[in-house]
Amino acid sequence: KAGVTQTPRYLIKTRGQQVTLSCSPISGHRSVSWYQQTPGQGLQFLFEYFSETQRNKGNFPGRFSGRQFSNSRSEMNVSTLELGDSALYLCASSLGTDNNSPLHFGNGTRLTVT
Amino acid sequence: AQSVTQLGSHVSVSEGALVLLRCNYSSSVPPYLFWYVQYPNQGLQLLLKYTSAATLVKGINGFEAEFKKSETSFHLTKPSAHMSDAAEYFCAGFFNFGNEKLTFGTGTRLTIIP
Repeated sequence: KAGVTQTPRYLIKTRGQQVTLSCSPISGHRSVSWYQQTPGQGLQFLFEYFSETQRNKGNFPGRFSGRQFSNSRSEMNVSTLELGDSALYLCASSLGTDNNSPLHFGNGTRLTVT
Repeated sequence: AQSVTQLGSHVSVSEGALVLLRCNYSSSVPPYLFWYVQYPNQGLQLLLKYTSAATLVKGINGFEAEFKKSETSFHLTKPSAHMSDAAEYFCAGFFNFGNEKLTFGTGTRLTIIP
């Protein structure tokens, strides 16, 4: 079974631009979550989608948004990029029907904002 | 507030020695708990999980963890360290059942001394 796939692996953007990251979950998984990982703040929850609906949201500004498609693939968008948005963005998928099912993570997209 | 605390941001052990990585949680209701490992430039890989079925949990790569409610702990151990165990380890928990948000500890970087 293929794992969680995130594209692209690396991105370099300029402050003020916007960026879209993509995540393909494990087949059969309906929940997709996004996390931001930085040296200073560690792993922070961005949001979670289940069956095309945002089910949970972390404490990030509105510049961070996401969506999920009918095939469970998800995209995350960050608008008006700031230097502080430089991070590793991790996507995780799970069945989403109970907490007994752990999250499976992709290898992440490393975003650098200059 | 519900949280996960990892004691020791850096741990060094000699090859062949016991590995002990500490994790404590703060919650009135025991959460589901997980240990993840992250190798450089990769995502998070699930090592093991506690979901109340058994207090001693065995995972991959020879790791195990014991849930102790009285101590609110879920420490990770491995009897004999191997060079390939060098990585960063994260303890995480689901505190709100039905909510897919994982709360992570700050991570422990494990170094193996030859």
